[in-house]
Amino acid sequence: DIVMTQSPDSLAVSLGERATINCKSSQSVLYDSNNKNYLAWYQQKPGQSPKLLIYWASTRESGVPDRFSGSGSGTDFTLTISSLQAEDVAVYYCQQSYSTPSTFGGGTKVEIK
Amino acid sequence: QVQLVQSGAEVKKPGASVKVPCKASAYTFNTYHIHWVRQAPGQGPEWMGVINPRGGGTSYAQKFQGRVTISRDTSTSTVYMDLSGLGFEDTAVYYCARDGGRDLWLGFFDYWGQGTLVTVSS
Repeated sequence: DIVMTQSPDSLAVSLGERATINCKSSQSVLYDSNNKNYLAWYQQKPGQSPKLLIYWASTRESGVPDRFSGSGSGTDFTLTISSLQAEDVAVYYCQQSYSTPSTFGGGTKVEIK
Repeated sequence: QVQLVQSGAEVKKPGASVKVPCKASAYTFNTYHIHWVRQAPGQGPEWMGVINPRGGGTSYAQKFQGRVTISRDTSTSTVYMDLSGLGFEDTAVYYCARDGGRDLWLGFFDYWGQGTLVTVSS
């Protein structure tokens, strides 16, 4: 199975400041045939289902604010919140769907400093 | 809008089985794979398996092979997840989630059910 490792486990950021979350996969999740990284990011608020933010490493899901962006390729990926808002307090997960079983990272908790 | 609606919480004894329904609406049922993902308390999500509603084909995580069965009823646009031989470690919220690919399996999930808490307790 592909192991997804997120860092940090938690971070506290001031309102309006940048938050950066890292995700590393134990093997590449880049499909050579279509040059797409099978890497997604989700946001989960307490008591709610996960919400898709980013897929194919950098494609923002419809309706997701543009302060959320994804980058990276191969084995190293980053989710950036450019200007943290109060409603962004949540746990964020990366997920690979390059191979089965699909696997998730352990999560990064984002709080307000 | 697209909705996946699941049933309410369940309490089961060790060794029992649980069958969780997931009713889809507001889209063409046959055109999107449905996955099942569980999340134990304080843990990250864990993928269990997937079904293609068009033909009923399934794929399961090795961890759950032999214990999980995912099925569908096209007449009611409902997918079911049946997990047998429950142990305390199966206590979790179970989610159904729609694949983001129309007529193909992309593996990311654009719509999620509200989740069903399954508690295994003696």
